[in-house]
Amino acid sequence: DTTVKQNPRYKLARVGKPVNLICSQTMNHDTMYWYQKKPNQAPKLLLFYYDKILNREADTFEKFQSSRPNNSFCSLYIGSAGLEYSAMYLCASSSRDTNTEVFFGKGTRLTVV
Amino acid sequence: AQSVTQPDARVTVSEGASLQLRCKYSYFGTPYLFWYVQYPRQGLQLLLKYYPGDPVVQGVNGFEAEFSKSNSSFHLRKASVHWSDWAVYFCGTGNTGKLIFGLGTTLQVQP
Repeated sequence: DTTVKQNPRYKLARVGKPVNLICSQTMNHDTMYWYQKKPNQAPKLLLFYYDKILNREADTFEKFQSSRPNNSFCSLYIGSAGLEYSAMYLCASSSRDTNTEVFFGKGTRLTVV
Repeated sequence: AQSVTQPDARVTVSEGASLQLRCKYSYFGTPYLFWYVQYPRQGLQLLLKYYPGDPVVQGVNGFEAEFSKSNSSFHLRKASVHWSDWAVYFCGTGNTGKLIFGLGTTLQVQP
């Protein structure tokens, strides 16, 4: 099974409320990523876990949190959603040692109202 | 800094016609380059990837791409487009999963 699963596919959130997105993979990949995709923009890397080490991009450092309780699962957490968080969130995974393909999930479309 | 430019936001071709989607990159050193496709309501799927070697790389579903260092390009080609190729195509660069993508090119296929 070479799929990355994301739940939910669609998420509606209120401004100021927290949001938690879930991702899982069963390929035993050591690295998991979260990308943000807005209309007419390129997918943008937010953060990634290599094993248990979290790396956040500089310009999104304060806005997103993440956890990886085990190798298979990774979450993306927004403490207080703003309208600007409305986007598609793509989870991905890969194996760093073999430099193989990066596998993407189908995404979670988050709408903040 | 690394970057990728896809100059065409939308390309329309007739079914059965040939296709070229353009991609220009800026990369210090030897780049790793990719093309991903996003079909409606789907995630990104890898079409093909270039690691230093043969400049022409073959991908899935009849796609291929040619790396040109002199032109800083990595254009995607297909000899005969099918209606099912209607999708958004992203060119990207980077190592492992830290990918930098272009804005994407939407391919529309006319009957």
